[in-house]
Amino acid sequence: QVQLQQSGAELVKPGTSVKLSCKASGYTFTSNHMNWIKQTTGQGLEWIGIINPGSGGTSYNVKFKGKATLTVDKSSSTAFMQLSSLTPEDSAVYYCARDGYGGPDYWGQGVMVTVSS
Amino acid sequence: DIQMTQSPSSMSVSLGDTVTITCRASQDVGIYVNWFQQKPGKSPRRMIYRATNLADGVPSRFSGSRSGSDYSLTISSLESEDVADYHCLQYDEYPYTFGAGTKLELK
Repeated sequence: QVQLQQSGAELVKPGTSVKLSCKASGYTFTSNHMNWIKQTTGQGLEWIGIINPGSGGTSYNVKFKGKATLTVDKSSSTAFMQLSSLTPEDSAVYYCARDGYGGPDYWGQGVMVTVSS
Repeated sequence: DIQMTQSPSSMSVSLGDTVTITCRASQDVGIYVNWFQQKPGKSPRRMIYRATNLADGVPSRFSGSRSGSDYSLTISSLESEDVADYHCLQYDEYPYTFGAGTKLELK
């Protein structure tokens, strides 16, 4: 069965970076794009961007360009998202979600990032 | 960016009710709309894809429909396990965009 296992919660200081991971299993990693999505209480769900694990090609929401960088490691079937120059506004739950037939289908369990000094 | 205007933002419901939630797209997104259910502390679960298709394992009391740029999720005979937040999503073009969400609460 398709599973997306995300890394654990992060408490980070303002101005630093964090790299989140999403390990895929139960399907051929390079056959599906991977989305990253941000959820906050105030802003709801926001699409950050998408990566093609086969080619490494990416597309970003303009709002997150310069903030998020998406990469993959095909050898471990893992997708990564690095968030840089963190501010308290980056505190949120971040999800990876596979892009299947019919758009995003399977989601990771989410990872809470807290930016605080 | 395409805006998905979701209504209502919250709804007070009773068990056995028929509930309808709607999203209006700001431009044509065709059939490329999904509906997700989310319970507290959990990831969103896809309920409907391509506007009208029931996702695997989703009870048949859930249905999706489209009328022009209006997309609806209907829950017939609401059960207690259906009390949750619901989100629509358009994935016709990047950036994908979500509706603001609908919170179902029991009366």
